[in-house]
Amino acid sequence: DIQLAQSPSFLSASIGDRVTITCRASQDISRYLAWYQQKPGKAPKPLIYAASTLQSGVPSRFSGSGSGTDFTLTLSSLQPEDSATYYCQQVDSYPITFGQGTRLEIK
Amino acid sequence: EVQLVESGGGLVQPGGSLSLSCAVSGFTITNHYMSWVRHAPGKGLEWVADIKEDGSAKHHADSVRGRFTISRDNTKNLLYLQMNSLRADDTAVYYCARKLRHNMDIWGQGTTVTVSS
Repeated sequence: DIQLAQSPSFLSASIGDRVTITCRASQDISRYLAWYQQKPGKAPKPLIYAASTLQSGVPSRFSGSGSGTDFTLTLSSLQPEDSATYYCQQVDSYPITFGQGTRLEIK
Repeated sequence: EVQLVESGGGLVQPGGSLSLSCAVSGFTITNHYMSWVRHAPGKGLEWVADIKEDGSAKHHADSVRGRFTISRDNTKNLLYLQMNSLRADDTAVYYCARKLRHNMDIWGQGTTVTVSS
């Protein structure tokens, strides 16, 4: 199985900050990586697919990069509504796996 | 409007069974893989199962294989998850989602399954 290691597990930042979350795969997954945002009691919301393509309707302050085993999700200017847990997901092969999540707190 | 609506969740005793449904509107599931994903309390997201467009291929997570079965009825635009031999660690919110090659782009609101005596 492909393991995804996200870091950090918890992140506290201020409005306007630039934040980066990393996701490392245990083997090469090319660009078959997606990112999701989940708020308490809500379904995950897709943000990024194919490592760097922004899902329709997602603000441009979100961006993704990487390929192979190392990926990043960047929020260029943190907004209050960005408080959430963020997950990476690999869809390269079965079983599909998620990272353990990064909880982002707004100071 | 594109919408996925899960139903069938509830409280069940360990060893019991439950059948979840996902009613889809706004697009035809015939053209898409569909998935189930769960979120246990205090834990991260866990992929549960996928099913191919015509139902000819199914994939299940090791944690549920042999106990859960994904299926679909394309004529009714419905996705199902039959859950047998339920355990306490199956307690979670279960989401259905449309699966594309690169991600799961549309999700339902979830249905809660609680396994407890």
